[in-house]
Amino acid sequence: NAGVTQTPKFQVLKTGQSMTLQCAQDMNHNSMYWYRQDPGMGLRLIYYSASEGTTDKGEVPNGYNVSRLNKREFSLRLESAAPSQTSVYFCASRASGGAGELFFGEGSRLTVL
Amino acid sequence: GDSVTQMEGPVTLSEEAFLTINCTYTATGYPSLFWYVQYPGEGLQLLLKATKADDKGSNKGFEATYRKETTSFHLEKGSVQVSDSAVYFCALSEMDSSYKLIFGSGTRLLVRP
Repeated sequence: NAGVTQTPKFQVLKTGQSMTLQCAQDMNHNSMYWYRQDPGMGLRLIYYSASEGTTDKGEVPNGYNVSRLNKREFSLRLESAAPSQTSVYFCASRASGGAGELFFGEGSRLTVL
Repeated sequence: GDSVTQMEGPVTLSEEAFLTINCTYTATGYPSLFWYVQYPGEGLQLLLKATKADDKGSNKGFEATYRKETTSFHLEKGSVQVSDSAVYFCALSEMDSSYKLIFGSGTRLLVRP
């Protein structure tokens, strides 16, 4: 029962470096999401993909890009990392809309120096 | 836009005490409401949900009732345990095609033996 798998779990970058966070789900879910979690601010949506082949901006998309590679995989890319992007990143998926439960990965802790 | 407001933490209780964590929301229409829990070092897990007014969600001794008239979804538990120590997030599901979840800022609960 893998569920939602994120890699890497920890990463340290220097300002200006690039990296990609990988996310894969094995539940055949249509929708996938990337959130960031910062102290006192809850989770804020970066990008989402309502279905394979579509992506849309969330609340805080600046500095990020995403790719919905196929139904299973949804990656988040930082092209030029900034200290303000130091955060814990969570990938999530859900089967359908409405009251469908969101399933979360364990998170990726990113530090930008 | 839609938003969720939670009481600030941390909330510190002794074992077997009564717990209330307040949550109010602002939304157009009638969103579904959720409580998620995050244990240290883990991703978020669904605790309970309610999809329409006056619904009561319940799980593991926790309860919350969807109150449309007060736009609230307060989390309660009659007798907390040390193992309930975690961060609790209230969330609503936007009723557009994305069904994105909007989260509150989270409330940390610490239960002392």
